[in-house]
Amino acid sequence: SQQGEEDPQALSIQEGENATMNCSYKTSINNLQWYRQNSGRGLVHLILIRSNEREKHSGRLRVTLDTSKKSSSLLITASRAADTASYFCATGGQNFVFGPGTRLSVLP
Amino acid sequence: DAGVTQSPTHLIKTRGQQVTLRCSPKSGHDTVSWYQQALGQGPQFIFQYYEEEERQRGNFPDRFSGHQFPNYSSELNVNALLLGDSALYLCASSPGPGLAAYEQYFGPGTRLTVT
Repeated sequence: SQQGEEDPQALSIQEGENATMNCSYKTSINNLQWYRQNSGRGLVHLILIRSNEREKHSGRLRVTLDTSKKSSSLLITASRAADTASYFCATGGQNFVFGPGTRLSVLP
Repeated sequence: DAGVTQSPTHLIKTRGQQVTLRCSPKSGHDTVSWYQQALGQGPQFIFQYYEEEERQRGNFPDRFSGHQFPNYSSELNVNALLLGDSALYLCASSPGPGLAAYEQYFGPGTRLTVT
């Protein structure tokens, strides 16, 4: 079974709003990564957060990691129509496991 | 600097046939991983190749096999195709082995349809 599980499965927001996606996992990890996928194409790496980090920023992205709750969140601020995509978390440990993803729609 | 390339883009095969998919890693990368992504699902790890050897393998049957060449490019072979093998097959490269040690750079994928 997949270790990472994103929540919600789908999210629809207006351009300019913030989007928050959550990821929960089950076992201990070395790091957690977030990826974006546009329309069934290849995945693009967004950010990697290590197990000893609590928060990381990259441009309009903010990722938090709570190892005690085995959860992570991805915040996209001031969303744009171009942010419309599926977002996946992937947990790294013995294996590398992707969750089923959150489908984000940003409406103009 | 070329990123990860995959060929072919699309492929249609019949049940029972065999297929070979190809991947060239990003320049400077020596490790290639393969993933299967069914429609509406996240990618599932098939295996990783480093120094021309399979280093790690996910929960896939022996019908799935691979190869890595001295120039670091890689092939994924699937024998005795089943309808359930229809999926997007993604190749990812990284600058070293270990699934979680580095960010992975993904190719655009090969969409395989088995009829």
